[in-house]
Amino acid sequence: DGGITQSPKYLFRKEGQNVTLSCEQNLNHDAMYWYRQDPGQGLRLIYYSQIVNDFQKGDIAEGYSVSREKKESFPLTVTSAQKNPTAFYLCASSILGRYQPQHFGDGTRLSIL
Amino acid sequence: AQKVTQAQTEISVVEKEDVTLDCVYETRDTTYYLFWYKQPPSGELVFLIRRNSFDEQNEISGRYSWNFQKSTSSFNFTITASQVVDSAVYFCALSESQGGSEKLVFGKGTKLTVNP
Repeated sequence: DGGITQSPKYLFRKEGQNVTLSCEQNLNHDAMYWYRQDPGQGLRLIYYSQIVNDFQKGDIAEGYSVSREKKESFPLTVTSAQKNPTAFYLCASSILGRYQPQHFGDGTRLSIL
Repeated sequence: AQKVTQAQTEISVVEKEDVTLDCVYETRDTTYYLFWYKQPPSGELVFLIRRNSFDEQNEISGRYSWNFQKSTSSFNFTITASQVVDSAVYFCALSESQGGSEKLVFGKGTKLTVNP
């Protein structure tokens, strides 16, 4: 079945460590997104990409980095510069044009050790 | 700037009750899209509906219905005869047009608990 796969489901980060969250889609979608969700908060956009080898910062990009080398993959790295990384991270993808609905993965929960 | 307000943080109802989730938005765009998503305890967001600003007709899908009113900038969601499986966090979202990019602005969500 087509969908979005995020891994791992749970991730723990040590102080000063960079960690990478994986997001893969087989929906042939051009656009991909990364969101951060904190308790009682809505989703906040970290980065998004509408085409391979191109991506834009969202509202809270500081301390994060991404790459888009393949259409189906959009990994997110949480760097040591992100001082409060504990959150639930959601990846999404969509067809481009006229705000087609975004499809979401199951999320990765990141915690600090 | 676009903004979505879901004033109800948490709602608790008993099964078979009707419940309405409120969504109020702010935008300067003349053309925009509104969405509702459901987030069950498993975590992934499930798309429920998309509505564009030119289509003010209400929509019904089974026990779900949506009331879009441009005059009050609201896009409310009603669940009729609620069931325990409806328990989830529900998010309203608004399209944000910026330099050709397609992004969404989400409200903070309303947590619905349906008790047996």
